[in-house]
Amino acid sequence: KAGVTQTPRYLIKTRGQQVTLSCSPISGHRSVSWYQQTPGQGLQFLFEYFSETQRNKGNFPGRFSGRQFSNSRSEMNVSTLELGDSALYLCASSLKEITEAFFGQGTRLTVV
Amino acid sequence: DAKTTQPPSMDCAEGRAANLPCNHSTISGNEYVYWYRQIHSQGPQYIIHGLKNNETNEMASLIITEDRKSSTLILPHATLRDTAVYYCIVRVAHGSSNTGKLIFGQGTTLQVKP
Repeated sequence: KAGVTQTPRYLIKTRGQQVTLSCSPISGHRSVSWYQQTPGQGLQFLFEYFSETQRNKGNFPGRFSGRQFSNSRSEMNVSTLELGDSALYLCASSLKEITEAFFGQGTRLTVV
Repeated sequence: DAKTTQPPSMDCAEGRAANLPCNHSTISGNEYVYWYRQIHSQGPQYIIHGLKNNETNEMASLIITEDRKSSTLILPHATLRDTAVYYCIVRVAHGSSNTGKLIFGQGTTLQVKP
């Protein structure tokens, strides 16, 4: 069974640009959540989607947004990139919102 | 904020058992204890979870105290590949909009030495 797939794996963007990251969950999983990991702040929850609805949102500015499609694939978007947005962005999927979450390998975003 | 407290680092000799403690003194009755680990630059890997009974799977054992205020993750025969950051997480089981949200603390960096 294929795991959680995140694309792209690495990305370099310039300040002010926007970026879209993609996450394909494990087949059959309906819950997708996103996390940001930085050396200073550690792993922080961004948002969670279940059946195309955002169930929960972390404490991030409105520049961070996401969505989930009917096939459970998810995208997150960051607009007006700042240097501080440089991070590893991780996606996790689970069968339901209450079951264990499985993480992808992440997308390493560098903002220059 | 994370509801768990873990030591920042631990060492373990290869082949010996690694016992990683976690305090979660404010855990509620409907909250599970989850353990994940993260090997450098990879996504966190699910290890095990439990509510109040001890649990064991092919990777590890989880021992939860009777009052549920602390737990210990046991890797029975640590190998060099077990070197990672281990996160103990308290997670609402059901009945809450926060169910799907994992709150990570700083974790314990386990160094397995030859």
